[in-house]
Amino acid sequence: DAGITQSPRHKVTETGTPVTLRCHQTENHRYMYWYRQDPGHGLRLIHYSYGVKDTDKGEVSDGYSVSRSKTEDFLLTLESATSSQTSVYFCATGTSGYEQYFGPGTRLTVT
Amino acid sequence: DQQVKQNSPSLSVQEGRISILNCDYTNSMFDYFLWYKKYPAEGPTFLISISSIKDKNEDGRFTVFLNKSAKHLSLHIVPSQPGDSAVYFCAATITSGTYKYIFGTGTRLKVLA
Repeated sequence: DAGITQSPRHKVTETGTPVTLRCHQTENHRYMYWYRQDPGHGLRLIHYSYGVKDTDKGEVSDGYSVSRSKTEDFLLTLESATSSQTSVYFCATGTSGYEQYFGPGTRLTVT
Repeated sequence: DQQVKQNSPSLSVQEGRISILNCDYTNSMFDYFLWYKKYPAEGPTFLISISSIKDKNEDGRFTVFLNKSAKHLSLHIVPSQPGDSAVYFCAATITSGTYKYIFGTGTRLKVLA
């Protein structure tokens, strides 16, 4: 257990509203990732970070932005939520770029 | 373009028997592969991995085999136990690159008691 927490764990929001999901880690891992999990698609990378203020896009980054101002926190923002962003979101951390440690997930519903 | 594929969405196996989960990839640059296990309402947990310089890695009941020429890896669980019932994801990465991971779509394993 790499000490990863996600908040909130569940959220229901309306289309067009901004949403921010938080990932917090206590392990001082360099790498942090945001994934979404959808039926039939597995886990898809949204954005990742390889250091404080160093971020890059993943496979499905449209409509999402991220920020990492401290080693321990990685924020995922949906500027204007859409129904297609209803999903389960997982944060993960890693050290050398090999195995990853996942958080418990955030279930987001956009109505 | 799905670079990592798990073509079997589900698999049922009798307790005590072998479970074989398969994964195919298309990018020959991938040089490190991982398997994760996921229970409902939890995050995935790391199970076992293999580097492309090896063709087999074993950890207790879990063995991963890599066939680079076929771009295929498999996870063997022997003997299978009811607690192994979960969704299994394979993932691949290029370790000299940007440490991005590509995951398969998952295989749901059900071990029947």
